[in-house]
Amino acid sequence: GAVVSQHPSRVICKSGTSVKIECRSLDFQATTMFWYRQFPKQSLMLMATSNEGSKATYEQGVEKDKFLINHASLTLSTLTVTSAHPEDSSFYICSARWDRVKWGNTEAFFGQGTRLTVV
Amino acid sequence: QKEVEQNSGPLSVPEGAIASLNCTYSDRGSQSFFWYRQYSGKSPELIMFIYSNGDKEDGRFTAQLNKASQYVSLLIRDSQPSDSATYLCAVSNQGGKLIFGQGTELSVKP
Repeated sequence: GAVVSQHPSRVICKSGTSVKIECRSLDFQATTMFWYRQFPKQSLMLMATSNEGSKATYEQGVEKDKFLINHASLTLSTLTVTSAHPEDSSFYICSARWDRVKWGNTEAFFGQGTRLTVV
Repeated sequence: QKEVEQNSGPLSVPEGAIASLNCTYSDRGSQSFFWYRQYSGKSPELIMFIYSNGDKEDGRFTAQLNKASQYVSLLIRDSQPSDSATYLCAVSNQGGKLIFGQGTELSVKP
């Protein structure tokens, strides 16, 4: 399958600081990227969907000013958690998908995830 | 009503038995259906995907889809201890979003 690389895999930051997480598609052009958050023993909760070159669409209850998403190219999307607080500590996972209209239906490919701990 | 629902489990089966995992979804317009396996602390990995009604087999895994009943299942034959994980059902709606169920924890006992 296609490869999606997420970085960093783990990060610890102080409360009030910002953290940037990168998600790269290594061998395909990702027209759509999804960002998920997963708390312990819970499922993946979709935070936002981003299409290359346009603003991200956030799910209800997700603060767009706190979780900044940039999808500036077909191979890179970033999630910045601004003014992080301990309650933002979670497992953040990105997934990427190519153009379904052009290349056919497909699953989304997942990055390795980022464990964020805010202290 | 949640968009995608699964029994959270845990589901415990003996080694060699068949494990049956079930999932229902609420959006009749859903087009694609996926089963992912997730080990603790890791990202999900794709097991099976199915788009059409009926059964789809891949090795020890069989996915079953019934769009009329809005139901999708995963059967794991000859279960192994290494199959112990959380299994996530995911559904892609017409807008292309991939929505996950809460996951079913499977434990295969040697």
